[in-house]
Amino acid sequence: AQSVAQPEDQVNVAEGNPLTVKCTYSVSGNPYLFWYVQYPNRGLQFLLKYITGDNLVKGSYGFEAEFNKSQTSFHLKKPSALVSDSALYFCAVRDIQTGGGNKLTFGTGTQLKVEL
Amino acid sequence: DAGVIQSPRHEVTEMGQEVTLRCKPISGHDYLFWYRQTMMRGLELLIYFNNNVPIDDSGMPEDRFSAKMPNASFSTLKIQPSEPRDSAVYFCASTTTGSGANVLTFGAGSRLTVL
Repeated sequence: AQSVAQPEDQVNVAEGNPLTVKCTYSVSGNPYLFWYVQYPNRGLQFLLKYITGDNLVKGSYGFEAEFNKSQTSFHLKKPSALVSDSALYFCAVRDIQTGGGNKLTFGTGTQLKVEL
Repeated sequence: DAGVIQSPRHEVTEMGQEVTLRCKPISGHDYLFWYRQTMMRGLELLIYFNNNVPIDDSGMPEDRFSAKMPNASFSTLKIQPSEPRDSAVYFCASTTTGSGANVLTFGAGSRLTVL
């Protein structure tokens, strides 16, 4: 079975400060990992993904994430937060070993609030 | 491309009524997913299709729920009879095998309220 955990329901950060949204995963084999963002009354939007290769992945809107196999983590980061980054962030995983087609499992989401 | 189109955006109905949610995926996408989002349970995968064929419906909560994909450009999720606990936002998403693994495009969602 595949799963992800987002340990924080909410993260608060001041504008201009760095932000981190945490995610850990569990799979039997090797993972595909994703971050999606959801703004109010909207569907989820893709931010970035890790498939293979460089552990540091860069995505949209200045976000990046670091894959750490030993810690089974894929934390989302941004060097300088903006108020407009305030949204709900979801981590997702797919276990490429067990197949399951294109089935993604999402975490419970972390609400990011960036304040002036 | 207009993206994934869902209708209706909002639906308010009474317990026991039939509800039909509709989805038009992005042209050329061969995978279609139905998710449900609630505060209590987060984002749950209900069912997904590949080339119009249901592949995994293990997330469908009960026999009251059914989904169809009669062609590549249309899918429905039906709840009959509806219950208050079905109140949620239902998302449709699509992707293609060639998209670089699971980059889903989501619709704006259908917010269902069952009174």
